[in-house]
Amino acid sequence: QSALTQPASVSGSPGQSITISCTGTSSDVGGYNYVSWYQQHPGKVPKLMIYAVSNRPSGVSNRFSGSKSGNTASLTISGLQAEDEADYYCSSYTSSSSWVFGTGTKVTVL
Amino acid sequence: QVQLQESGPGLVKPSQTLSLTCTVSGGSISSGGYFWNWIRQHSGKGLEWIGSIYYSGSTFYNPSLKSRLTISVDTSKNQFSLKVNSVTAADTAIYYCARDQRSRTNYYIDYWGQGTLVTVSS
Repeated sequence: QSALTQPASVSGSPGQSITISCTGTSSDVGGYNYVSWYQQHPGKVPKLMIYAVSNRPSGVSNRFSGSKSGNTASLTISGLQAEDEADYYCSSYTSSSSWVFGTGTKVTVL
Repeated sequence: QVQLQESGPGLVKPSQTLSLTCTVSGGSISSGGYFWNWIRQHSGKGLEWIGSIYYSGSTFYNPSLKSRLTISVDTSKNQFSLKVNSVTAADTAIYYCARDQRSRTNYYIDYWGQGTLVTVSS
């Protein structure tokens, strides 16, 4: 199984909005609404930010939103804040009854 | 609040077997609707799913690692375990155990252990 494709880095100024893409295939992202997004600060455990494409767990800021079109899912962070600087990974369940993660995106707040 | 904790040797010699255990607290590993996963992260790299197990013992493995993997569950101890045979330096990574929950409409990994660094070196 191949990793989902994400841009290596995305940056934005405080207050701006950024979008991270996550491209897979019809066997994963395109085939299921089981796309999740994780935030990982250096040396920390990944934290669930979005599940089932666009749902936010309790406690996650509404500045984070998710969507999907075809084989590509997206995570948008609006009102970018310094604390949002981290690595972000998408994940999808697959037709092989497995999980696949994205290549990861480093978000930099300028 | 479910908590997961990995345990096991931090140093393994090449060609030997890596063995880790994940102890689950705050919930029963035998609860339906949850699968129990192993995920690893090489230094400075992305996340790699290793495999998962249901409390009944049903397992699912990453095809690229399958020939070297065994994941097992001990419901009496509320634990699940990972064994990776014939390790090389490429198996050096932080290993996480994690829970994923599944319903008719939602599948997602929600709880993670703190992770444990395993180094393969002589």
